Amino acid sequence: GAVVSQHPSWVICKSGTSVKIECRSLDFQATTMFWYRQFPKQSLMLMATSNEGSKATYEQGVEKDKFLINHASLTLSTLTVTSAHPEDSSFYICSASTSYEQYFGPGTRLTVT
Amino acid sequence: AQKITQTQPGMFVQEKEAVTLDCTYDTSDPSYGLFWYKQPSSGEMIFLIYQGSYDQQNATEGRYSLNFQKARKSANLVISASQLGDSAMYFCASNSGGYQKVTFGTGTKLQVIP
Repeated sequence: GAVVSQHPSWVICKSGTSVKIECRSLDFQATTMFWYRQFPKQSLMLMATSNEGSKATYEQGVEKDKFLINHASLTLSTLTVTSAHPEDSSFYICSASTSYEQYFGPGTRLTVT
Repeated sequence: AQKITQTQPGMFVQEKEAVTLDCTYDTSDPSYGLFWYKQPSSGEMIFLIYQGSYDQQNATEGRYSLNFQKARKSANLVISASQLGDSAMYFCASNSGGYQKVTFGTGTKLQVIP
């Protein structure tokens, strides 16, 4: 089956620093990748849609300058949380899409101190 | 716009019994897909089952079946013969209009009791 990896699986960083999270589709090419954010005991909220070779489409209320998304190839998308603050602490999940199916990565737990 | 409603924040079920997790959806698009995902405490999202709006039969995958009632706009998940490992959060989700973007419900926490 289709496998999506995320790296790192967890990260702790200091307030004001930037953190990069990678999302890779390991055995298939994904034209579209999605980035979600999940707060404790809440649902997944879509942050942005990333298409290879083009700018990401951000959902309303998501700061594009704070959450930088780069989809450099058909197997890699990155999310950079710039100037992280404690309120950015969350579980970030990516998914990679072929047609109608989405395959989710294992998630990255970010803690900003 | 799509909206997914899961009215059961938490459910308990006895091991080996069947359980139904409710999901209703709201979309004006004639073409849409419905999904169920399982999220254990580790956080990963595990795809369980998919139902297309034009599928005539209810989807089944092993112990999982989707009770699709189009007129009621409901897509309930039925888990038969519950196992302790089924304890997790379950999310109903949907996409529509040919778009890959998926909208999630608020989830139901299922706990299987020995």
